Amino acid sequence: AIQMTQSPSSLSASVGDRVTITCRASQGIGIDLGWYQQKPGKAPKILIYGASNLQTGVPSRFSGTGSGTDFTLTISSLQPEDFAAYYCLQDDTYPLTFGQGTKVEI
Amino acid sequence: QVQLQESGPGLVKPSQTLSLTCTVSGGSISSPNNYWSWFRQPAGKGLEWIGHFFTSGSSNFNPSLKSRATVSVDTSKNQFSLKLTSVTAADTAVYYCARGTSRSSYVWFDPWGQGTLVTVSS
Repeated sequence: AIQMTQSPSSLSASVGDRVTITCRASQGIGIDLGWYQQKPGKAPKILIYGASNLQTGVPSRFSGTGSGTDFTLTISSLQPEDFAAYYCLQDDTYPLTFGQGTKVEI
Repeated sequence: QVQLQESGPGLVKPSQTLSLTCTVSGGSISSPNNYWSWFRQPAGKGLEWIGHFFTSGSSNFNPSLKSRATVSVDTSKNQFSLKLTSVTAADTAVYYCARGTSRSSYVWFDPWGQGTLVTVSS
């Protein structure tokens, strides 16, 4: 199975900060990667698909880049509602696999 | 808009079968380019993909489950179901159903159900 290594596992930030989360695949996955946000007690929510495509309705402060093995999720200006856990998910090869998650805390 | 809702027992005894149903509203489970998926998340841990089936009839599952998982669909009720056999405490988790969409080689999972906690305990 493809291993997705996400970093950092947690970070502390303030409102207005620029935040970057990275995800590295154990083998090349093209652009077959999505980013999901999960708030406590809630289901995950899609932010980015195809490595860089913003899902409809997601604020433009979220952006994704990368291809092959290295990917990045950036929040350009952190808002109070962005404090949550973030997961990458590769959909290139079965079994689909997630990164271990990044918790963004105040 | 499409909504998904999981239902099923919250407590299952070890070695028994976990059975969950996901009811789809606001759209047809037979829509093309969709696949109907199950995920789970143990308390305080990360997400795991369980498996999904395509409207074409094919399906894929996580081999970590060692062939214990099956998915079925009831188009008349617009529902799909997960069965996980021979459960142990390690199967205790919040289980989510989700719709997968494949378009122009892109894939994404949206929407998701709210999740249902299943505890395996005697």
